[in-house]
Amino acid sequence: QQQVKQSPQSLIVQKGGISIINCAYENTAFDYFPWYQQFPGKGPALLIAIRPDVSEKKEGRFTISFNKSAKQFSLHIMDSQPGDSATYFCAASSEAAGNKLTFGGGTRVLVKP
Amino acid sequence: DTEVTQTPKHLVMGMTNKKSLKCEQHMGHRAMYWYKQKAKKPPELMFVYSYEKLSINESVPSRFSPECPNSSLLNLHLHALQPEDSALYLCASSQDHWTYSGNTIYFGEGSWLTVV
Repeated sequence: QQQVKQSPQSLIVQKGGISIINCAYENTAFDYFPWYQQFPGKGPALLIAIRPDVSEKKEGRFTISFNKSAKQFSLHIMDSQPGDSATYFCAASSEAAGNKLTFGGGTRVLVKP
Repeated sequence: DTEVTQTPKHLVMGMTNKKSLKCEQHMGHRAMYWYKQKAKKPPELMFVYSYEKLSINESVPSRFSPECPNSSLLNLHLHALQPEDSALYLCASSQDHWTYSGNTIYFGEGSWLTVV
């Protein structure tokens, strides 16, 4: 059972555009929602994370929006750059499961110059 | 740069071979993880060590055998693997596993394993 559903699977955006990736979860016990960025041939790296007590978190060009009632969260990449071309994974974890991450299926983002 | 170091970066092994993947971190983290990642898929958790003790085994076949010699090192011993075991094997660490959710998990660059 996939507990975190991520969409779209792939995304092409022009340089300077906005990339939007959406995730939906089922487990209401989830209390930590990180996004990981993975470049080809590299391991995933934490990009930004949010807890459900806030509705939005911004770090530079990256913003997480969180809707607790809808059990959805999204990543917005503003002013997308070719260097942002990577695969993005949303994830979630719960206190009961400690630090065990449940990943979404991933979104391959290609930013065209 | 990642502070989780994995060796080797690439490994080709036959189905009758015995090999090991190695992982090292010097961040003082007390939780270490092995993940398996197939192409175009998210990482899948295999094992978690917390304070050098195995705390999670995600029903991984016995041909994969983890070992945590000390708080900085994590090994994955491989024996009698199958071609479908070919994947990227990621080591990761975090400050603690059970204290609370939200400990940042730091991944290494992975070891690419090909079983022939």
